[in-house]
Amino acid sequence: NAGVTQTPKFQVLKTGQSMTLQCAQDMNHEYMSWYRQDPGMGLRLIHYSVGAGITDQGEVPNGYNVSRSTTEDFPLRLLSAAPSQTSVYFCASSPSLDTQYFGPGTRLTVL
Amino acid sequence: DAKTTQPNSMESNEEEPVHLPCNHSTISGTDYIHWYRQLPSQGPEYVIHGLTSNVNNRMASLAIAEDRKSSTLILHRATLRDAAVYYCILRPQTGANNLFFGTGTRLTVIP
Repeated sequence: NAGVTQTPKFQVLKTGQSMTLQCAQDMNHEYMSWYRQDPGMGLRLIHYSVGAGITDQGEVPNGYNVSRSTTEDFPLRLLSAAPSQTSVYFCASSPSLDTQYFGPGTRLTVL
Repeated sequence: DAKTTQPNSMESNEEEPVHLPCNHSTISGTDYIHWYRQLPSQGPEYVIHGLTSNVNNRMASLAIAEDRKSSTLILHRATLRDAAVYYCILRPQTGANNLFFGTGTRLTVIP
C-alpha cells in the first residue's frame, strides 16, 4: 500500500491564482481530512469528509473548497490564493473513528 | 473542544526514559486520549491512545490518571529518532473523527 499520497510536494503561487492540492489513499478509508500547519503551530482542520459525496467544514475553511467524488480522492482547491494561505498542508485518512494516517504534506508559498 | 496543556519543550538523554505530561482537566467521560508525534518535515504519526486504563504498544506506554485529568506518554528508551513534537489530543467517541492539535511538546534527545 502506498498509504496517503499528496501532490505536489512544493508549490509557489502568486496572489489571486487558483490551484488544487491532490490527496489520494489506497486503504479504502471512509474518513478523509485536510489540515494546514503554520510555522511553530499545531495542525488546524480545514475540511473533512466522512464518505464519498459528504463533506463538511472544519476550523479554518474560508478560501478553500473540497469535494469527494470517490473514496480514494479528496482534492483541496484554493479559489484565489492569498499570502495568508502560505502553509504546509496535510491530508489524512482513517477508517471511521480510528487512527488517522497522514500524508507527507504539500509546502505552499503564496507571493 | 476539550483542551489539553503540554510543556513547550523537553530534553532527554539518549537511551534514558522520557515522561511527557499532558493535562486535560476538562476531559469528558467519553473522550479518548490520543498521542501523535511529528518528526521534522513529516506528517504526524499515531503513537498510542487510551480511555481509562494504561496502555502499552511497541512504541510507547500511556499512563492515565485515575481521575483522567492528566496523562503521561512514556518512551522507555529515547533514541535520536524519537526527537519530534508530541501532541496530546482528546477525541470524542462519537461524531466526526476530527483531531484538534495544540502546539505540542518538542522533545530534544541529547546523544
